[in-house]
Amino acid sequence: NAGVMQNPRHLVRRRGQEARLRCSPMKGHSHVYWYRQLPEEGLKFMVYLQKENIIDESGMPKERFSAEFPKEGPSILRIQQVVRGDSAAYFCASSPPGTEGNIQYFGAGTRLSVL
Amino acid sequence: AQRVTQPEKLLSVFKGAPVELKCNYSYSGSPELFWYVQYSRQRLQLLLRHISRESIKGFTADLNKGETSFHLKKPFAQEEDSAMYYCALSPHGSSNTGKLIFGQGTTLQVKP
Repeated sequence: NAGVMQNPRHLVRRRGQEARLRCSPMKGHSHVYWYRQLPEEGLKFMVYLQKENIIDESGMPKERFSAEFPKEGPSILRIQQVVRGDSAAYFCASSPPGTEGNIQYFGAGTRLSVL
Repeated sequence: AQRVTQPEKLLSVFKGAPVELKCNYSYSGSPELFWYVQYSRQRLQLLLRHISRESIKGFTADLNKGETSFHLKKPFAQEEDSAMYYCALSPHGSSNTGKLIFGQGTTLQVKP
């Protein structure tokens, strides 16, 4: 099992461009979470998805940010019209269904830099 | 408000010394608490969770509901313990999945 795969590892965008971050969960995992880590801070929850459903988006900024986890393919975190304040590390985690669902397995992260 | 606080940004100890990384939480319900660790150039990984009551790599953590704390302890630190440690809370308890609320993290530096 390759673990949670995130790509790209590093992404550079200019202000106003779009950023797409991808996350493939571990095999057999049906829950995906996205977290953001700003410099010198801990991880902050953004969104929790299951296949084709957003379960909890309480941590998502109201504008410019969206997330999806389609029936086929990876989960995508999309940031439109990026600004310098979006520069951060974005981590994806996945968890299995059932009683072990509270254990989250993390990807290596995508470091977004906005110029 | 749901919050996890790790008061120390950096904890530096000598090899063989006891270690205690502090974690306090604020939550009105019945939380599940975790410690995650990130070694240099590796991804964040689960170290232990309070419901398991396990000792992992010599580390233990006891949930103290009266003091709302979940401090991580190890009697004799090793150099390979040097890493970033995050305390995290799951507000949904052990019966549901959901978001984790993380503390700011503590860097543990074990000197030879």
